[in-house]
Amino acid sequence: ILNVEQSPQSLHVQEGDSTNFTCSFPSSNFYALHWYRWETAKSPEALFVMTLNGDEKKKGRISATLNTKEGYSYLYIKGSQPEDSATYLCASHNAGNNRKLIWGLGTSLAVNP
Amino acid sequence: DGGITQSPKYLFRKEGQNVTLSCEQNLNHDAMYWYRQDPGQGLRLIYYSQIVNDFQKGDIAEGYSVSREKKESFPLTVTSAQKNPTAFYLCASSIDHFGTHSNQPQHFGDGTRLSIL
Repeated sequence: ILNVEQSPQSLHVQEGDSTNFTCSFPSSNFYALHWYRWETAKSPEALFVMTLNGDEKKKGRISATLNTKEGYSYLYIKGSQPEDSATYLCASHNAGNNRKLIWGLGTSLAVNP
Repeated sequence: DGGITQSPKYLFRKEGQNVTLSCEQNLNHDAMYWYRQDPGQGLRLIYYSQIVNDFQKGDIAEGYSVSREKKESFPLTVTSAQKNPTAFYLCASSIDHFGTHSNQPQHFGDGTRLSIL
């Protein structure tokens, strides 16, 4: 069974703090790692899809890195704002999954003004 | 605007009743997916469709059925055989299913919350 694990489960930060969280995924037969942001009462929104070892991607104040050899990805948020409050999900696509994404449980971020 | 529309937002099912959740997309995507979310669990795949008139079982297909008669529509029926249907259901689409565009993300609807009466 292939598992994707995210840590921490939840996080509370103050406005202006920078923060980061981790996604661990199976490194064997790796194809792609997806990051999504899911705000309450909205639909999950894609942030990044990363495929190459050493990939770094950035979208505004949010960035992500990828290490496919050891099977982890970090998501960073610089200068957190209250509108960043959401659950951040990652999902891994590995061969042998019958071509499905395996989803983590998410990291719930609350940014206090 | 292009997107995915799920309806209804809330749905209640009586014992022994089949109910159908609607999912429509106008993104011209080939692939569509149904996921179920339960507390404390990651998204689990129920069914997916790579192209019109084709669909495949996901990890938890028992008690569910789907159809894909049109590219833009992928309805999910929760049958009476599904003994624990109370959950949040998400529909998603992508350009294709890990084919030529394997780096493409999935796009999601707002979800349907199904409860038992």
